[in-house]
Amino acid sequence: DSGVTQTPKHLITATGQRVTLRCSPRSGDLSVYWYQQSLDQGLQFLIQYYNGEERAKGNILERFSAQQFPDLHSELNLSSLELGDSALYFCASSVVTGGTDTQYFGPGTRLTVL
Amino acid sequence: AQKITQTQPGMFVQEKEAVTLDCTYDTSDQSYGLFWYKQPSSGEMIFLIYQGSYDEQNATEGRYSLNFQKARKSANLVISASQLGDSAMYFCAMREVEDYKLSFGAGTTVTVRA
Repeated sequence: DSGVTQTPKHLITATGQRVTLRCSPRSGDLSVYWYQQSLDQGLQFLIQYYNGEERAKGNILERFSAQQFPDLHSELNLSSLELGDSALYFCASSVVTGGTDTQYFGPGTRLTVL
Repeated sequence: AQKITQTQPGMFVQEKEAVTLDCTYDTSDQSYGLFWYKQPSSGEMIFLIYQGSYDEQNATEGRYSLNFQKARKSANLVISASQLGDSAMYFCAMREVEDYKLSFGAGTTVTVRA
């Protein structure tokens, strides 16, 4: 158990809908990262938050947005869903070990868009 | 350009034998970190081992060791005394010094045979 929690574990929805994925980082971790894992794109970085502020952005679609709240949990919002958004979405939080940030991943949310 | 290359899509290994998973990387940074993660069929991403670019010794963590050859830009993972529970997908990842995200390879599937 990495200490990172994600809910829900599975999500099935229809095209055009909007969903929210939730992540709670490990205790004390200020950074939260979101990744998308799909068969065709592999593991792709979406966005990072540090202590409530957006720090880095990857190839995140405009239909996707995220935020980190004062209690450090984060939410990833996906709207106008398309079939191609079906993927495993991971949240990770980081802790500095040996001089670098090691990212620990949550169990993921498997999103299926029908 | 691909930052992390894992050329072995799948490998079979006999229980109790060692297996080496290849990983090459591409960066112009002098300071970077290399990571290996394990993804079992259940889907979670498990951190295994880390190697810093300035580390002189190869990293080891239990049955995992990282064969780091900086000049060749390779960071191969060695799993010794394979166990059935080692059957999983293994990902090599890199974090460059000015980048917060992890860049992942395509992964290698390892199947351990009894």
